[in-house]
Amino acid sequence: GEDVEQSLFLSVREGDSSVINCTYTDSSSTYLYWYKQEPGAGLQLLTYIFSNMDMKQDQRLTVLLNKKDKHLSLRIADTQTGDSAIYFCAERLTGTASKLTFGTGTRLQVTL
Amino acid sequence: NAGVTQTPKFQVLKTGQSMTLQCAQDMNHEYMSWYRQDPGMGLRLIHYSVGAGITDQGEVPNGYNVSRSTTEDFPLRLLSAAPSQTSVYFCASRANRAGTDTQYFGPGTRLTVL
Repeated sequence: GEDVEQSLFLSVREGDSSVINCTYTDSSSTYLYWYKQEPGAGLQLLTYIFSNMDMKQDQRLTVLLNKKDKHLSLRIADTQTGDSAIYFCAERLTGTASKLTFGTGTRLQVTL
Repeated sequence: NAGVTQTPKFQVLKTGQSMTLQCAQDMNHEYMSWYRQDPGMGLRLIHYSVGAGITDQGEVPNGYNVSRSTTEDFPLRLLSAAPSQTSVYFCASRANRAGTDTQYFGPGTRLTVL
């Protein structure tokens, strides 16, 4: 079955880059997602990447995928205090419609 | 569009009580899902639906029932609440369209079972 793992906590200074890492176990064709959750709120989709891609960039966000190591990372450039949140990595197997498998989430703390 | 709405926002139940968590979406999405979020465990899929009249079990379905009589609504029923069901519950929906992979989440229902 699928298993998605993340480190629990990351602290960075405002203006620095943040890199949040995720590993997954299923090697089948899959979509990989990054969600952001602010306190007391639902999940907001930031970006996603299909497993036949190596990289995707969207403004301050860069997603890197290492298929060999089953490792996914989210880089946030010029991290701001508004980026403080919990970031979830999630995986969906092709053809499984609504079934996302989530990691435990990484709490990003941005300090001044 | 209101997106995905959930009611109530907060609920406290006693062990053995039953209740229904409501979820509605106005985006005409075919796919809807229920997740629970527990500390240190991420989100886990409870039940999901790929269209009206069709539901299926997720990773942690025990103690919960769902139905999907309309495209818009996907209620989650707790049959006999237990303290282990204390959690935050999220409903999500997604369109069944090629090239669309955005799953929209509701704001969540925080449930405490005493």
